[in-house]
Amino acid sequence: AQKVTQAQTEISVVEKEDVTLDCVYETRDTTYYLFWYKQPPSGELVFLIRRNSFDEQNEISGRYSWNFQKSTSSFNFTITASQVVDSAVYFCALGGGYQKVTFGTGTKLQVIP
Amino acid sequence: DGGITQSPKYLFRKEGQNVTLSCEQNLNHDAMYWYRQDPGQGLRLIYYSQIVNDFQKGDIAEGYSVSREKKESFPLTVTSAQKNPTAFYLCASSRGSTSNYGYTFGSGTRLTVV
Repeated sequence: AQKVTQAQTEISVVEKEDVTLDCVYETRDTTYYLFWYKQPPSGELVFLIRRNSFDEQNEISGRYSWNFQKSTSSFNFTITASQVVDSAVYFCALGGGYQKVTFGTGTKLQVIP
Repeated sequence: DGGITQSPKYLFRKEGQNVTLSCEQNLNHDAMYWYRQDPGQGLRLIYYSQIVNDFQKGDIAEGYSVSREKKESFPLTVTSAQKNPTAFYLCASSRGSTSNYGYTFGSGTRLTVV
């Protein structure tokens, strides 16, 4: 069975601080995909990134970066110089093949001006 | 632009009533899903469909029903048998029958029992 753990339930940071959201996953599959979604107060889940299990290169997109480490089964997400607009719930998810996507319980990020 | 449209955005249900939540997609995705989200909690899968005229129960299907008569549409009915229906409902779709590409989500329907 697949499992995604987001141990941080809520995080508060002051604007311009860096923040890392942790994600640990469990799977027996050798081929799998990892995702991050953002859920702003409006409710819709917005896709942020997809990473396959064979690509351990870190990725940077503007102020967002992702660190994928198979050795520790982690796929952490860092926001640099956080902004109020980053306030949202962030979900890490695991999928691949005919398995349905498994979501973590989410981390609520509050960026204080 | 392609996407998923959920309607209505807000829905109020009286005790004992059935209500239907609409979900339409123009992404030509094969699979569609319904999730329930309670305040401060994650997503729980209600039903999913990987092909027209076929659907499967998720983790919390009791009190809900679905149909998939067209590829584009996957309506969810919340029946009177669902004892605690107040929640945020999200519809999603995915390319093909695998989860390799993750899901695309609609903007959700907030259902309240009055």
